[in-house]
Amino acid sequence: EAGVAQSPRYKIIEKRQSVAFWCNPISGHATLYWYQQILGQGPKLLIQFQNNGVVDDSQLPKDRFSAERLKGVDSTLKIQPAKLEDSAVYLCASSLVLGPQETQYFGPGTRLLVL
Amino acid sequence: RKEVEQDPGPFNVPEGATVAFNCTYSNSASQSFFWYRQDCRKEPKLLMSVYSSGNEDGRFTAQLNRASQYISLLIRDSKLSDSATYLCVVNGPNTGNQFYFGTGTSLTVIP
Repeated sequence: EAGVAQSPRYKIIEKRQSVAFWCNPISGHATLYWYQQILGQGPKLLIQFQNNGVVDDSQLPKDRFSAERLKGVDSTLKIQPAKLEDSAVYLCASSLVLGPQETQYFGPGTRLLVL
Repeated sequence: RKEVEQDPGPFNVPEGATVAFNCTYSNSASQSFFWYRQDCRKEPKLLMSVYSSGNEDGRFTAQLNRASQYISLLIRDSKLSDSATYLCVVNGPNTGNQFYFGTGTSLTVIP
């Protein structure tokens, strides 16, 4: 079974530039998550989708971050404009359904460095 | 106060040793609990779920103490391949079932 795919794997940009990340979840998984993992910390949820609807985006910095999952499959996360503190690994995860016992499967992540 | 707190370590143990990690959570209404493993520069992967009755998977034992709001992971007969960061994860009771991750505990098993 193919896992969660993410691209690009690495991105280096200058502050104030824009960047977009792409995620393709495991086929059939209804729930998709975007996490930000800063070095030395655990993943922090940014946004959670159930199919193409947003379930929770309470920790998404909406002045600069946006995400969409238009057809309920692939998702993109955008940062515009980027700040130095956005340097992190952006992890996409998916689960079969929305529920407290669901296993999340993570993609390899996109490593972002903002200079 | 953080939702989930872990001792970041590092824990450096010899092969064959037994090592235990603890994790505390702040919300008494939390519903489900997990340990994920994250290798260096890799994504987190589920190690095991944690049930109220405690559960065991080979050399790994997880326990949940709801009264004290902590979760533990015990690794027996440590192997070099156990070297990784162990993330404690709690699923909150709020709408959408948000998962909260601890900062992780770093383990290095030494030959």
